[in-house]
Amino acid sequence: ETGVTQTPRHLVMGMTNKKSLKCEQHLGHNAMYWYKQSAKKPLELMFVYSLEERVENNSVPSRFSPECPNSSHLFLHLHTLQPEDSALYLCASSQEIRGRTEAFFGQGTRLTVV
Amino acid sequence: AQSVAQPEDQVNVAEGNPLTVKCTYSVSGNPYLFWYVQYPNRGLQFLLKYITGDNLVKGSYGFEAEFNKSQTSFHLKKPSALVSDSALYFCAVRDRNGEDTGRRALTFGSGTRLQVQP
Repeated sequence: ETGVTQTPRHLVMGMTNKKSLKCEQHLGHNAMYWYKQSAKKPLELMFVYSLEERVENNSVPSRFSPECPNSSHLFLHLHTLQPEDSALYLCASSQEIRGRTEAFFGQGTRLTVV
Repeated sequence: AQSVAQPEDQVNVAEGNPLTVKCTYSVSGNPYLFWYVQYPNRGLQFLLKYITGDNLVKGSYGFEAEFNKSQTSFHLKKPSALVSDSALYFCAVRDRNGEDTGRRALTFGSGTRLQVQP
């Protein structure tokens, strides 16, 4: 257990559905991240939240909408997704101390868009 | 901008032999460097990191990595591989120039699959 929990572990959704991914960290960290992992590609950073403020958004399509209601919880709201959005979505957290600390990852949500 | 290259998609090694997984990086300043491992259907697990000091860093499960500034490399090594080491390995970098804000996320390579044969 890394202290970062993601739910659900697996999700199948149609292109017209709306769903949300949830991430919770029990480590007292002050930064949280969403990454997308597709086969044979580097992990793609999607969003960064530091002290509950979104500080980075890597040109992610608007059909992905993050929400960070507090420092322990992070959501990724999904709507009208495309089949190419099928991937493993990883949440991570870290305690930002001038960039020196490693990130801790959840087990991921395997998303399939049909 | 920061980037990481892992030139090998897959590394095959026999159990008991030494292993090396290669990583080179590019940052505008000095780097913080990390290695992670991913087992099937799992998230990434932290192995080790280089922040400052000794260029040889020791981490979990007997792994170590050597920071080489002149070659901009941070190769992962283990003296004797185990079948249970078979997994996907990711190298990651963060530019120290981002430390003032403390907000720069890690940039990852594309991963190297390590296969250890019995």
